[in-house]
Amino acid sequence: QVQLVQSAAEVKKPGASVNVSCKASGYTFRRNAINWVRQAPGQGLEWVGWINPYNGKTNYAQKFQGRVTMSTDTTTSTAYMELRTLRSDDTAVYYCARDWHPLSAKPYFFEHWGQGTVISVSS
Amino acid sequence: EIVLTQSPGTLSLSPGERATLSCRASQSLSSSHLAWYQQKPGQPPRLLIYGASSRATGIPDRFSGSGSGTDFTLTISRLEPEDFAVYYCQQYDNSPTFGQGTKMEIK
Repeated sequence: QVQLVQSAAEVKKPGASVNVSCKASGYTFRRNAINWVRQAPGQGLEWVGWINPYNGKTNYAQKFQGRVTMSTDTTTSTAYMELRTLRSDDTAVYYCARDWHPLSAKPYFFEHWGQGTVISVSS
Repeated sequence: EIVLTQSPGTLSLSPGERATLSCRASQSLSSSHLAWYQQKPGQPPRLLIYGASSRATGIPDRFSGSGSGTDFTLTISRLEPEDFAVYYCQQYDNSPTFGQGTKMEIK
C-alpha cells in the first residue's frame, strides 16, 4: 500500500532554514508528483508547492517563491522541502501528499498523505 | 488566485441527519476541478470526492458531491458518529487553493 513517511518535528529560530523529508513506498515513485501542504495551529490548509519526480519540474505557490525549494531523490524515493528565512508565522504542520494524477504536468488533488511534520519557529 | 468560500463555518447536527456543505469559487472552475476532504484532529486530511462528484476509493456512498461552475455541494445523507470532523474543499483548476473549512459538530 502507498505510504508516505515524513521526518520528525523540528524547532527553529527565526531566520533559520528547515528541510523536511518524505519517504515514499508502495508505488513507483517517479509516476506521481509530490505536493507540500501546510496547516498552522487551528487554521486551514495551505498549498505550498509541487514537484514532479519524473522530470524535476516544480510549481511553487507565489507566496513561497524565493523562499522554498523542493527536490527529490529517486534512488531513495524521497522528496524534500527546504524552507528558508523562517518566521514565526511559518509555525505549522507540514504535510507531503501524493498527487492523484500520474505523470501530471500540473498539481491536481491529493490522494495519499504523510503523517505531517511539526515545524515550530520561535526565538 | 481562486478563492474558495465555504459555508456554513460550523454545522451542528445529530447522527442520522442529512448534512449539506457549500463551497463557492471566486471564478468558474473548468471541468469541475473540485475536491473535498475530511480532517479529524491530529490526522492528515482524507480525500472524499474529486471531479466535484466522484467518490474516492473506499469512501461510503452516504457521501456525495455535486455542482459545477462556481457552486459546489458536499452532502452526507445520514450522519454517522465518525463523520463529525472538519471538511475542506480544494480547487485544482490552477494553483491549488483550499476553502477555510466547515466544522461539523454533534448537536
